[in-house]
Amino acid sequence: GAVVSQHPSWVICKSGTSVKIECRSLDFQATTMFWYRQFPKQSLMLMATSNEGSKATYEQGVEKDKFLINHASLTLSTLTVTSAHPEDSSFYICSARDTRRGYTFGSGTRLTVV
Amino acid sequence: KQEVTQIPAALSVPEGENLVLNCSFTDSAIYNLQWFRQDPGKGLTSLLLIQSSQREQTSGRLNASLDKSSGRSTLYIAASQPGDSATYLCAVRNTDKLIFGTGTRLQVFP
Repeated sequence: GAVVSQHPSWVICKSGTSVKIECRSLDFQATTMFWYRQFPKQSLMLMATSNEGSKATYEQGVEKDKFLINHASLTLSTLTVTSAHPEDSSFYICSARDTRRGYTFGSGTRLTVV
Repeated sequence: KQEVTQIPAALSVPEGENLVLNCSFTDSAIYNLQWFRQDPGKGLTSLLLIQSSQREQTSGRLNASLDKSSGRSTLYIAASQPGDSATYLCAVRNTDKLIFGTGTRLQVFP
């Protein structure tokens, strides 16, 4: 139980385009989901907290207009990287909290902007 | 501000050794602490979750302890195997956020 599906697992896009990443909780409802960013050989950095039916809460230093988060249902949150640039290239991971099992993470998305 | 540190940053051992990975945090007001495993280029796999009221949790060859007052947790891996090679991350929950440690990269060679 407590499976989080993240799609796509990798994506390459041109500079200036937008990319959408989906995060789904498959067997439980998640009122709150979280989006992280990870640079090579570094730990995870929390970008934002996504709340179902309301606006996301962004961490300090994260541009809300660049990283658009939508949490329209109890099982789906999306992260859209708008007008992507090479410096946005990174590994993005979502997670959802299950009351019994703690935090469950998606498999991550490797974004490369060329 | 909660800060989570893991020692050592990297560890390379022969197969069969018993290992101890350390995690320390600065703010003891946590809800729980969770240990994860991350393989290269992959997401995180939850290993053990310790609630703030608990002292330890065990799963197979893994044992995690928590000393909340001193801000420390240890992950004990018994009889290490090459398949245990990965990065191990501890994370503490403050309110609704999960704060990650810096990670320990483990390599177990045959």
